[in-house]
Amino acid sequence: DAKTTQPTSMDCAEGRAANLPCNHSTISGNEYVYWYRQIHSQGPQYIIHGLKNNETNEMASLIITEDRKSSTLILPHATLRDTAVYYCIVRDGYAGGTSYGKLTFGQGTILTVHP
Amino acid sequence: NAGVTQTPKFQVLKTGQSMTLQCAQDMNHEYMSWYRQDPGMGLRLIHYSVGAGITDQGEVPNGYNVSRSTTEDFPLRLLSAAPSQTSVYFCASSLGDRGTDTQYFGPGTRLTVL
Repeated sequence: DAKTTQPTSMDCAEGRAANLPCNHSTISGNEYVYWYRQIHSQGPQYIIHGLKNNETNEMASLIITEDRKSSTLILPHATLRDTAVYYCIVRDGYAGGTSYGKLTFGQGTILTVHP
Repeated sequence: NAGVTQTPKFQVLKTGQSMTLQCAQDMNHEYMSWYRQDPGMGLRLIHYSVGAGITDQGEVPNGYNVSRSTTEDFPLRLLSAAPSQTSVYFCASSLGDRGTDTQYFGPGTRLTVL
């Protein structure tokens, strides 16, 4: 699976949009971009994923650049409860293979939302 | 749906003891896996299963056994606990093991080995 690079930490004011960047310059054509977050040692929580097109769900939006070498997770109106470690993961789209379905978690970005 | 459940939430063991961490899901997911997370680090895959009766090793399988007799359950056994196994253990499940199959995680078991 391709490697990802994320900033170590970011801050955001409550109510503002939080934009979390991720670089994945070696991503291949069949690899998906996934975002998870982990709130204070709880189990990782799925946020969103995408292949080429921008995606939106009730939690967030995912913007993937046209060359797919980077992406941005957008939390449109951050709240204090969004304070967490956010992981950007690139994952093989095919079943089995060398990745055998695993998610490779890096260090992630610590997002702190202040009042 | 309860999703992915794990028991116990906390456990303290002495070196050499054995125990089983339980994981269950009620989403009829075929793929289940176990990860461990050490302080300040990402999750590492221990074992995984693509369906009942089928298991395989992940990145860090030594010292752990798994079995999958039903679709719902995927217990993780520590054969002879060691301090190096002190960690937080997460179970996850998904419909399959394709990149498009979202994995859902349980709340974790915090294990301390003295």
